[in-house]
Amino acid sequence: ETGVTQTPRHLVMGMTNKKSLKCEQHLGHNAMYWYKQSAKKPLELMFVYNFKEQTENNSVPSRFSPECPNSSHLFLHLHTLQPEDSALYLCASSHPPWGTVNTGELFFGEGSRLTVL
Amino acid sequence: SQQGEEDPQALSIQEGENATMNCSYKTSINNLQWYRQNSGRGLVHLILIRSNEREKHSGRLRVTLDTSKKSSSLLITASRAADTASYFCATDILIGANSKLTFGKGITLSVRP
Repeated sequence: ETGVTQTPRHLVMGMTNKKSLKCEQHLGHNAMYWYKQSAKKPLELMFVYNFKEQTENNSVPSRFSPECPNSSHLFLHLHTLQPEDSALYLCASSHPPWGTVNTGELFFGEGSRLTVL
Repeated sequence: SQQGEEDPQALSIQEGENATMNCSYKTSINNLQWYRQNSGRGLVHLILIRSNEREKHSGRLRVTLDTSKKSSSLLITASRAADTASYFCATDILIGANSKLTFGKGITLSVRP
């Protein structure tokens, strides 16, 4: 266990559904991240939160809406997704805040496998 | 173009052999990290090497960094079937006053029993 828990592990949704992915970290870290992993492509950074404040939005479509109510929890709200959004969504956390010199080790959750029909 | 690119894309070896994976990058880095991912699982951090370091060891892992050639290698000695996974290098680069970690596409390692 890495100390980062993601739920659900698998999610199938229609294009008109609204669903949410949840991430919780028990490591006392200051930074939390959402990444998208698609086959044959590099890991894509989506959002970064430092101390609950969003510090990076990597040109992500508005159908993905992140929420960080506190330093331990991170959500990704999904609505009107497209089939090409099907991917593994990974949450990660780190102790040094994102953007400071020398990014440290990232701790990843097991991911949420999303399938959009 | 990509900051970090791993080579080869796929590697198949026999159990007991050594596995060498390479990563090349384009701009100066703060540090370089290697991660491992088992199929359908999250990434697990293996090792971090800073720009002023040339070599680090962790168990059966050895990582080297050559900043003049902008490249790194990950060596897994005496491989086991359980080492079968995807391996990613991630480069931490300085952009202005901030740093950013960027991942490559990964190397698929298969270790045959």
